[in-house]
Amino acid sequence: QQPVQSPQAVILREGEDAVINCSSSKALYSVHWYRQKHGEAPVFLMILLKGGEQKGHEKISASFNEKKQQSSLYLTASQLSYSGTYFCGTGGNWAGTALIFGKGTTLSVSS
Amino acid sequence: DGGITQSPKYLFRKEGQNVTLSCEQNLNHDAMYWYRQDPGQGLRLIYYSQIVNDFQKGDIAEGYSVSREKKESFPLTVTSAQKNPTAFYLCASSEDSYGYTFGSGTRLTVV
Repeated sequence: QQPVQSPQAVILREGEDAVINCSSSKALYSVHWYRQKHGEAPVFLMILLKGGEQKGHEKISASFNEKKQQSSLYLTASQLSYSGTYFCGTGGNWAGTALIFGKGTTLSVSS
Repeated sequence: DGGITQSPKYLFRKEGQNVTLSCEQNLNHDAMYWYRQDPGQGLRLIYYSQIVNDFQKGDIAEGYSVSREKKESFPLTVTSAQKNPTAFYLCASSEDSYGYTFGSGTRLTVV
């Protein structure tokens, strides 16, 4: 089942912060976060694994609440380059399952 | 440099015609995936393969077929049974517990 992302869209000025949420109705093994710019391929930002391990982008942080099956992506001191659509992808209860992606959150950062 | 190559970048299909989208990777990744992207829908999983000569259906496999004869290659055929094939198709690969690497995509249009 597709995870639910919120909000659908965010508009920021440079330097402002944003939080993007992702929730699932299924137990999760992992949560991935990706950013896609228009017409381009999604780019990997971060992976959060059951048990607390995280791997990813230095300037972006995220949380993973296993009990609530939720993850949040924290974008602080936003830059123009942060604009794009952010997708969370959720994995099942073992590493071999493919990610199911949410519908995305569009972030627009202006100067 | 390692990466994923999708070809062609643009593809036009006539009614009733089968077309094949190419996906090649030189990352030595075991797992490969095909996703379809439509505006506002996120990325929806078509097929994935964890190992050569084995693949699993995703959420929207009807009207599509795949093969995995080599580790490096995972072509997707859009058959005439797929009634609404116009979309952006993304191929990805991954190693266990790491982020996905996406190709640059193929935009398929029915004419």
